Amino acid sequence: DTGVSQNPRHKITKRGQNVTFRCDPISEHNRLYWYRQTLGQGPEFLTYFQNEAQLEKSRLLSDRFSAERPKGSFSTLEIQRTEQGDSAMYLCASSPAGTPNNEQFFGPGTRLTVL
Amino acid sequence: RKEVEQDPGPFNVPEGATVAFNCTYSNSASQSFFWYRQDCRKEPKLLMSVYSSGNEDGRFTAQLNRASQYISLLIRDSKLSDSATYLCVVSAAYGNKLVFGAGTILRVKS
Repeated sequence: DTGVSQNPRHKITKRGQNVTFRCDPISEHNRLYWYRQTLGQGPEFLTYFQNEAQLEKSRLLSDRFSAERPKGSFSTLEIQRTEQGDSAMYLCASSPAGTPNNEQFFGPGTRLTVL
Repeated sequence: RKEVEQDPGPFNVPEGATVAFNCTYSNSASQSFFWYRQDCRKEPKLLMSVYSSGNEDGRFTAQLNRASQYISLLIRDSKLSDSATYLCVVSAAYGNKLVFGAGTILRVKS
């Protein structure tokens, strides 16, 4: 399967713990995006990388959140000191350079439950 | 006010019906427009891009009115498999983030 992959698919953690999610974009896609989706809402933008550079961060991304894409390939999203309000589906998407519109391809997501 | 507004539905329609969804967006700088489809507990998938001239893909027709900042999706001859949430999406610029509406739920019944 050459689509966007995310690991783990599900994560249950206790409040106050740290969690890290991984996203592997489609090979050679230089743009990578993280979104968060809660029940009944559309995905909300968190942050965006072009190659290894983090170009934009949403105000939703508090200091407890950090994302990296060290070699311009896979990316990690870490949440420190998780809170119950962090429970959501975390979606990763990628897109290639030269896309005529801005089509983004989504991974299956990581569903986080904070107890 | 949300940047992209949609009627949440649900729209409950019989097989074979024609159904239309509407969406408005507030950012006049928006450049790209899409409809994504999302099945329950799955990731969003691109259904179609939306162009000012309007575009059609089989049973699906999308329209864009930039002056009114309004996007529509028409589904003809609804199938059971069309049951899903339809997300209206805009993007301000190439390579930029996607801004999603909350989605419209469609349920097609036999």
